[in-house]
Amino acid sequence: EIVMTQTPVSLSVTPGQPASISCKSSQSLLHSDGKTYLYWYLQKPGQPPQLLIHEVSSRFSGVPDRFSGSGSATDFTLKISRVEAEDVGIYYCMQSKQLPWTFGHGTKVEIK
Amino acid sequence: EVQLVESGGGLVKPGRSLRLSCTASGFSFGDYGLSWFRQAPGKGLEWVGFIRSKAYGGTAEYAASVKGRFTISRDDSKSIAYLQMNSLESGDTAMYYCTEGQVAFWGQGTLVTVSS
Repeated sequence: EIVMTQTPVSLSVTPGQPASISCKSSQSLLHSDGKTYLYWYLQKPGQPPQLLIHEVSSRFSGVPDRFSGSGSATDFTLKISRVEAEDVGIYYCMQSKQLPWTFGHGTKVEIK
Repeated sequence: EVQLVESGGGLVKPGRSLRLSCTASGFSFGDYGLSWFRQAPGKGLEWVGFIRSKAYGGTAEYAASVKGRFTISRDDSKSIAYLQMNSLESGDTAMYYCTEGQVAFWGQGTLVTVSS
């Protein structure tokens, strides 16, 4: 099973400031088809997760461009260029390269 | 607009069964796989399993924690996927979500509580 390790566990950010979340996988997420199956989700309080980033760096439809994803193989980062109040919630990374699909434990983002 | 609506949750005693449904609209249901996830109260997300489209055999895969107890099936004529849960345990208490093949769109979830 691929273990996904997210850091930090929590983050308190001043509105307008940047934020960064790290996700490391225990094995490379590069598939033989050339794609890297790393996703980022935001779960706002009381809501289902919403997809932010797929395949490391592709922003999902409607996701603001202040969100960006980067990385390769086993090291990945989600960056928010300027945090807004609506960005609060828990961020999860997920891999679907190999069964079972696995998630990081989440990073809780709060506003100062 | 892609929509997924889960239903069938509720309170059930340990050892009993429950069947969840995921009704989809807004996309060509039969062309895509369908996944189930769950989230225990106050905990993180867990993949439960998925079912491939008929074009890829229509077979299903499961997490070790539910394999042998849960079964995913699909009715493409109705655009519905099912999660049959047998021999339920207290550890199965969670909000259950379904997603389409790209894991982009999630339903609002249905809550399953296993308790005597």
